[in-house]
Amino acid sequence: SQQGEEDPQALSIQEGENATMNCSYKTSINNLQWYRQNSGRGLVHLILIRSNEREKHSGRLRVTLDTSKKSSSLLITASRAADTASYFCATDDSSYKLIFGSGTRLLVRP
Amino acid sequence: NAGVTQTPKFQVLKTGQSMTLQCAQDMNHEYMSWYRQDPGMGLRLIHYSVGAGITDQGEVPNGYNVSRSTTEDFPLRLLSAAPSQTSVYFCASSHRQGGNEQYFGPGTRLTVT
Repeated sequence: SQQGEEDPQALSIQEGENATMNCSYKTSINNLQWYRQNSGRGLVHLILIRSNEREKHSGRLRVTLDTSKKSSSLLITASRAADTASYFCATDDSSYKLIFGSGTRLLVRP
Repeated sequence: NAGVTQTPKFQVLKTGQSMTLQCAQDMNHEYMSWYRQDPGMGLRLIHYSVGAGITDQGEVPNGYNVSRSTTEDFPLRLLSAAPSQTSVYFCASSHRQGGNEQYFGPGTRLTVT
């Protein structure tokens, strides 16, 4: 079974708009990571947030983590056509196995 | 550094055939893992290894074997291919199990007819 579930499954926005993706998970975690996958390619790590952190920034990315609600969000500001990709959250728990969600497909229209 | 490399990129097998998917990394990472990605399912962990000589099962290990004789290599063996194993397979590595980003290979697209 998958730990993380992303919402929405698909998102279409205009270039320049912000994109928000959400991830919910079921059990306690040590860390939560976000990855990007361009079509036909491997996954690329974007950002990691630890269970004792609430917010983290990296460039145009902002990640929040609410452990009481077992949820995380990824915000991409001022989106570009090159941001078109699938985005996955991944959690690791006390067993340290990384478990991925099913992903959000983001389309940024020029 | 080449990072994580996988061979082959594409493979077609007939039901019942066996084969080995190769994975190698040149970053001296202790942790390596294999995932499969099916449409709409995200990635599912097949097997993983925390170091040479140590392997363990993930979420979906049935039908697959792994070994880790060196730090660099982590091959995945399909014992008797089945159509249900048609998928894209990704190998990944990191410095340790938890709390580190994983580096992914480009994937192997496998079709079993």
